[in-house]
Amino acid sequence: QVQLVQSGPEVKRPGASVRVSCKASGHTFTNYGFSWVRQAPGQGLEWMGWISVYNGITNVAQNFQGRVTMTTDTFTSTVYMELRRLKSDDTAVYYCARDRLPRKLDAFDLWGQGTMVTVSS
Amino acid sequence: DIQMTQSPSALSASVGDSVTITCRASESISTWLAWYQQKPGKAPKLLIYKASNLESGVPSRFSGSKSGTEFTLTISSLQADDVATYYCQLYDSYWTFGQGTKVEIK
Repeated sequence: QVQLVQSGPEVKRPGASVRVSCKASGHTFTNYGFSWVRQAPGQGLEWMGWISVYNGITNVAQNFQGRVTMTTDTFTSTVYMELRRLKSDDTAVYYCARDRLPRKLDAFDLWGQGTMVTVSS
Repeated sequence: DIQMTQSPSALSASVGDSVTITCRASESISTWLAWYQQKPGKAPKLLIYKASNLESGVPSRFSGSKSGTEFTLTISSLQADDVATYYCQLYDSYWTFGQGTKVEIK
């Protein structure tokens, strides 16, 4: 079954870091690029960054440069997103999403179920 | 960066009505535009890619078109199951979402 399964909810203090995982199955992991998208409560979708498993290139949205790191583990077919120096307005659902076509920047045809990250003192 | 302006922010229509949502790019983006449907508590679902291509398994009442820098999502006959928020998305070397349109049944 082609799917992305994300790690569970997190509660963090302001200033801390969080790492969210996204495990892929049912397709050739190394052929694709993956993005991270977040959605604050009641708000729209915000693209955070993209990582290509096939050539290692990353592209981070300007709003997150210096705070986000994306990595992959080809042995476990897992993508990771670490967000540092958390603030209360980082409270959101974080999604991973896969490019529709292999080895090509594209729209997202496969999404994880979302991970709720709550930042609160 | 290219900005996407989506309108309206919300609409209410009757079952069977034709519904149109628009996304305007601040400059030309070729056809690298997608449309997504998101229901409450769920991940977004891809409906249309490359401006006018219907994703596999998506009902044919959904369609997309492009005219200049304006992109349109049309639901030809609104169904109760179409109640959701719809987003456009630019994709090129980076990705940008529109602000979203909440569709309700009148």
